[in-house]
Amino acid sequence: NAGVTQTPKFQVLKTGQSMTLQCAQDMNHNSMYWYRQDPGMGLRLIYYSASEGTTDKGEVPNGYNVSRLNKREFSLRLESAAPSQTSVYFCASSEATDGYEQYFGPGTRLTVT
Amino acid sequence: QQQVKQSPQSLIVQKGGISIINCAYENTAFDYFPWYQQFPGKGPALLIAIRPDVSEKKEGRFTISFNKSAKQFSLHIMDSQPGDSATYFCAASPNNNNDMRFGAGTRLTVKP
Repeated sequence: NAGVTQTPKFQVLKTGQSMTLQCAQDMNHNSMYWYRQDPGMGLRLIYYSASEGTTDKGEVPNGYNVSRLNKREFSLRLESAAPSQTSVYFCASSEATDGYEQYFGPGTRLTVT
Repeated sequence: QQQVKQSPQSLIVQKGGISIINCAYENTAFDYFPWYQQFPGKGPALLIAIRPDVSEKKEGRFTISFNKSAKQFSLHIMDSQPGDSATYFCAASPNNNNDMRFGAGTRLTVKP
């Protein structure tokens, strides 16, 4: 059981470049989430997917898009990266029958220059 | 603005001491209050959580105290150990847990 996996672990982009962060979970969870973590700000929800085929905006969705590819996978896309998107990105998953505990992946450290 | 306010930003405690971290919220729709522990280079992991129908929950050395009328909750770590040194986040969400709001985090250092 790998839990929640994220790729890549590190990425450096130039302003204006695009990229997709990948996330997969093997716990058969219905809900998946993308957060960003910045110093002094805690974690902020970017998008979430309550179930396969649905996505909703969180607290800070601007500049991002998501795709819930199937029950296992939830990707986050930056279409035109900006320095303000330099952050550590975490994917998480949860299931109502598991008490709604969110299980987090190891994170992707993204730097936009 | 942040919907969950956490204090202090950093905390230094001697081994064996009590660590106390406080959080306050405004949104009365919140009804699930977890605490997460994060070690450097890792993702956060659930430590303990409470719902507002109880005022206290204890798991080992970790206790959440919850004051619904004051809209405040706190984490107490008894007999703090160097291995407890980490960043702690409080959070809150409404009943479906799909819009979790986190505090800014507290960096705890337990000195041996």
